[in-house]
Amino acid sequence: ETGVTQTPRHLVMGMTNKKSLKCEQHLGHNAMYWYKQSAKKPLELMFVYNFKEQTENNSVPSRFSPECPNSSHLFLHLHTLQPEDSALYLCASSPKGNSYGYTFGSGTRLTVV
Amino acid sequence: GENVGLHLPTLSVQEGDNSIINCAYSNSASDYFIWYKQESGKGPQFIIDIRSNMDKRQGQRVTVLLNKTVKHLSLQIAATQPGDSAVYFCAESSSNDYKLSFGAGTTVTVRA
Repeated sequence: ETGVTQTPRHLVMGMTNKKSLKCEQHLGHNAMYWYKQSAKKPLELMFVYNFKEQTENNSVPSRFSPECPNSSHLFLHLHTLQPEDSALYLCASSPKGNSYGYTFGSGTRLTVV
Repeated sequence: GENVGLHLPTLSVQEGDNSIINCAYSNSASDYFIWYKQESGKGPQFIIDIRSNMDKRQGQRVTVLLNKTVKHLSLQIAATQPGDSAVYFCAESSSNDYKLSFGAGTTVTVRA
C-alpha cells in the first residue's frame, strides 16, 4: 500500500448511471490530484486540489465533477459518461502543491458500457 | 503543453542484463525529473528522481542520467530481474509547480 487508497478498484457503469470514485490518503499531504490514464497515452491531469481548494481544472468535461471535503479525501462524481471515458483513473497526493513526494493510488478501472 | 516522450514503446531484455530506458523532454524550464514504474493493476510507483543541478544519481540497482544539453533522460537498471517487468514512465516538472508531464511509457519485458 502506498498510503493512497482508491475505491472501487473496478467499476462498470452504463452511460445513464451516476457513480462516484473515492480517494483517501493517510500521508498528511495537502494536495490531491485526479489523473486519467488511457491505453497508449500519457497520464492526463484532470483536477488539482491544494489545501481543499481546486486550483486546476484541465478542461475536463462537466460530466466529471470533483469534490474535496478535506485534505485527506477526494471524490470524482461521474454522470452521463461516454464509452471513450473508459480508462484507469488515478488519484495522487503530494505534501504541498508541488511535484515533490507525489504518491499515486492503485487506480479505479472504469468501463462505460 | 510540453511533451515528454520515451524513445521506444517496448523493450525486451534478458534476465541478468542491464536495461536502458530513454526519455526526451522539450521544456527547457523543467528542473525536476522523475522515473516511475507501473506494474499491472497498480498505480505508478516512484523509482528515482533527479534535479537539474545534477547529471547523475544512483539508487539501488538504478541510475538516472540527465543530459540537459540535448534534453535527454535515461534510466539504467542493473542486472534486470523478472520483477522489473513493468511500464516505465518519465515525468518532468518545474520545482515550484505541481504539474507533472508524463511520457507515454516503455513496456519492459524480462526474458528468463
